[in-house]
Amino acid sequence: EAGVAQSPRYKIIEKRQSVAFWCNPISGHATLYWYQQILGQGPKLLIQFQNNGVVDDSQLPKDRFSAERLKGVDSTLKIQPAKLEDSAVYLCASSWDSPSTANYGYTFGSGTRLTVV
Amino acid sequence: SQQGEEDPQALSIQEGENATMNCSYKTSINNLQWYRQNSGRGLVHLILIRSNEREKHSGRLRVTLDTSKKSSSLLITASRAADTASYFCATNSGGSNYKLTFGKGTLLTVNP
Repeated sequence: EAGVAQSPRYKIIEKRQSVAFWCNPISGHATLYWYQQILGQGPKLLIQFQNNGVVDDSQLPKDRFSAERLKGVDSTLKIQPAKLEDSAVYLCASSWDSPSTANYGYTFGSGTRLTVV
Repeated sequence: SQQGEEDPQALSIQEGENATMNCSYKTSINNLQWYRQNSGRGLVHLILIRSNEREKHSGRLRVTLDTSKKSSSLLITASRAADTASYFCATNSGGSNYKLTFGKGTLLTVNP
């Protein structure tokens, strides 16, 4: 089975510029997640989609971050304008949606390493 | 906010030794999972243990869960240099969505 695809792999931008990340989850996975991982810390959930609807975006800085998942498949995460503190790895993950059975873990992509200078 | 806290933050051992990492959490959970992250890469799911389970094995991995103490441990037996990575515990608190909250991780170094 193909994994979760993310692009680009690396991105360097200046503060106040905008940037977009793309994610293609595993075929058939209804739930998609974007996590932010700052160096030395664990991943922090930014937004969770189920199909093309937002389930949880409580930790998404909505003044600068936006995300969408068109047609319930691919997703993009955008930052505009970027700040220095946005430097992090942005991880996309997908899973079978089964909160009651919870048999499955997440499958993560390799992430996009963003450096804001 | 981070639910799980791993201990120790860093662990260095020799190849062939066993490595034990601990995780404590604060609220009730549906399940707890362990992930591995090699430097600069994505996370890989290792094992999932449900709240009604006490122990689970997968190859050289052994996970225990004590819900009364809100803690879990991950044991890697006969470690190899390739096991060098960061290990994270993640908790799922159930509810209407399947959301994982990660700890800060334990950096394991296995010296050849």
